[in-house]
Amino acid sequence: EAAVTQSPRNKVTVTGGNVTLSCRQTNSHNYMYWYRQDTGHGLRLIHYSYGAGNLQIGDVPDGYKATRTTQEDFFLLLELASPSQTSLYFCASSDQGRNYAEQFFGPGTRLTVL
Amino acid sequence: GDSVIQMQGQVTLSENDFLFINCTYSTTGYPTLFWYVQYSGEGPQLLLQVTTANNKGSSRGFEATYDKGTTSFHLQKTSVQEIDSAVYYCAMKTGGYKVVFGSGTRLLVSP
Repeated sequence: EAAVTQSPRNKVTVTGGNVTLSCRQTNSHNYMYWYRQDTGHGLRLIHYSYGAGNLQIGDVPDGYKATRTTQEDFFLLLELASPSQTSLYFCASSDQGRNYAEQFFGPGTRLTVL
Repeated sequence: GDSVIQMQGQVTLSENDFLFINCTYSTTGYPTLFWYVQYSGEGPQLLLQVTTANNKGSSRGFEATYDKGTTSFHLQKTSVQEIDSAVYYCAMKTGGYKVVFGSGTRLLVSP
């Protein structure tokens, strides 16, 4: 059973729309991350969290909010979606208690903003 | 700040060709370097990692080398197969909580 799941897998919205992307991990990891993936840019970090109620700003946070409600669940919120936010979004988890910890990624959510 | 540069956007090879992908990094810290692979329709997954203590790592026929002098690290495979077609990302972690990724290299292997 997949340890990092994302929903929805595909989402289409209009400019100005409100979107919530969900991520759940069953790895018992403390760290969770949201990335966007765009051609020519690779993976860019939006927000991350090291536990329930915690939020850290990543490298491209503008236009995004995030919330970590439990150790398992991490949400990405786009309150006024814009076409520039059309992208493939990945969630990941990591056990930062281990040295050299790898990140485990979900399958991605493809978001289109019209 | 920390950065990773991956110049090769796409590499096209035939089966049994030699693969070499190069990345350079910049940091004031002590990096752990990773290679992730992303197959079509999936999220990235760890291929291998190289710590400062070792300079090499290997997995699934791939080998990574790390050169502190030139702040570069490389992924290579002696004989690629069609199933190796994927996007390969180099990445760096410097003891904090973030991993910095390169822009990715798409490998296309024709039979």
